Amino acid sequence: AQSVTQLDSQVPVFEEAPVELRCNYSSSVSVYLFWYVQYPNQGLQLLLKYLSGSTLVESINGFEAEFNKSQTSFHLRKPSVHISDTAEYFCAVRGAGGSEKLVFGKGTKLTVNP
Amino acid sequence: EPEVTQTPSHQVTQMGQEVILRCVPISNHLYFYWYRQILGQKVEFLVSFYNNEISEKSEIFDDQFSVERPDGSNFTLKIRSTKLEDSAMYFCASSAGTANTEAFFGQGTRLTVV
Repeated sequence: AQSVTQLDSQVPVFEEAPVELRCNYSSSVSVYLFWYVQYPNQGLQLLLKYLSGSTLVESINGFEAEFNKSQTSFHLRKPSVHISDTAEYFCAVRGAGGSEKLVFGKGTKLTVNP
Repeated sequence: EPEVTQTPSHQVTQMGQEVILRCVPISNHLYFYWYRQILGQKVEFLVSFYNNEISEKSEIFDDQFSVERPDGSNFTLKIRSTKLEDSAMYFCASSAGTANTEAFFGQGTRLTVV
C-alpha cells in the first residue's frame, strides 16, 4: 500500500518569489509519482510525472520536481511564481506493477499575491 | 486535445434517491476510474474498471455503488440510495493502462445530497 504526505496545507507567496511544495510518500514497492493541479472550479490536470529515468522532471509552465528515492520525496518547485499559479496542488503516487489506482495527498493550496 | 467529459456538472438530490453520474472517457483508453473528493479532504479512489469488469475497488465502494459501461463510450457511476455523506465532487478518469501512462481526469460532478 502507498501513502502520500503533503505537509503544507496552504502556502502563500508573493508574485515572482520562489516556491517549494513538499511531498513525501511511503511504499513497499517501486512507485510512479505525479503532481496534479486544480485551478478554482476546475478538474484535476496533470502537471508533471516521474515514471523512470532522470529524477528531475519539468512541466511546460516552469515547474519542476525531483524524485529522491532515499528521502522518499517528490517536492515541487518553481523559481518565480505568477498570479496565475494560484491553485491547489496534489501529489499522487501509484505502485509500479499491479494496481492502477492513484493515492493522493491532501493537497497544498498555493496562493500567489501581487 | 482529447479529454474526459462528465455530466452533469452539478447534481442535487434528496437523501435516499438514486443518482447516476456519467462520464465519457478518452476514446482509445482502456482503464476507467472513479474518484471522489469530499469538501476539504483528499481525493480518494473509489473503483477501477477494465475489460468490462471491476479490477479494483476501495472500502468506500460498497453495495450502494455500481459502475457500468453501457455502450462503447459512456462510463457511469450509480449510487442506489444516496446518503448525506455521499456529498462530494466525483471525478472520472481514464488511462491507456500501460505502465508509463497517466490518468486523465474530467472536470468533476459536484453531488449534493440534501
